[in-house]
Amino acid sequence: AQKVTQAQTEISVVEKEDVTLDCVYETRDTTYYLFWYKQPPSGELVFLIRRNSFDEQNEISGRYSWNFQKSTSSFNFTITASQVVDSAVYFCALSEAGDYKLSFGAGTTVTVRA
Amino acid sequence: NAGVTQTPKFQVLKTGQSMTLQCAQDMNHEYMSWYRQDPGMGLRLIHYSVGAGITDQGEVPNGYNVSRSTTEDFPLRLLSAAPSQTSVYFCASSYEQGWETQYFGPGTRLLVL
Repeated sequence: AQKVTQAQTEISVVEKEDVTLDCVYETRDTTYYLFWYKQPPSGELVFLIRRNSFDEQNEISGRYSWNFQKSTSSFNFTITASQVVDSAVYFCALSEAGDYKLSFGAGTTVTVRA
Repeated sequence: NAGVTQTPKFQVLKTGQSMTLQCAQDMNHEYMSWYRQDPGMGLRLIHYSVGAGITDQGEVPNGYNVSRSTTEDFPLRLLSAAPSQTSVYFCASSYEQGWETQYFGPGTRLLVL
């Protein structure tokens, strides 16, 4: 069975603060894929990053960075120097090799105040 | 490319009415799927298709039907709407399953009274 847990329901920060979103997953497969999506107030789902289970390298993209640790089954996401435009709901998701299902966490609402 | 398009953007139904949510993609993706988004629950898979003529059930298929007669289109039918089907519906497509990124449409907000 798959499961993705995003324990933080809401996070509120002041602009320029860093914010880290936690994602913990469960799977019995050795091959799986992890994703982060952003849902801004306009409602669309925007793909941010994907990572496969064999690639534990952390990644940085501008102000975004991701920390993937198989030992703790976590795929955390950090926004550095947050901006108001980062206000959104962020979803972590998991799929297993050969499976057509993308399992989503419940999402974390990030509010960045000016 | 228009990507993934969905119509309508918003719909109000009365209990027992039927309707079809439209989804189309112009990226020649084989895999298409429907999700519903409810508060505090993330997105849950309703039905998916791995190609024209092939569909299968996801996590929450009851009350919904799908068909895939072409690669481009994947409509979702509500046979007899219920208030429990009030939700935001997203269609997604990808080239393949698993590794390939799923791209989502803008969503359809459905209210069943």
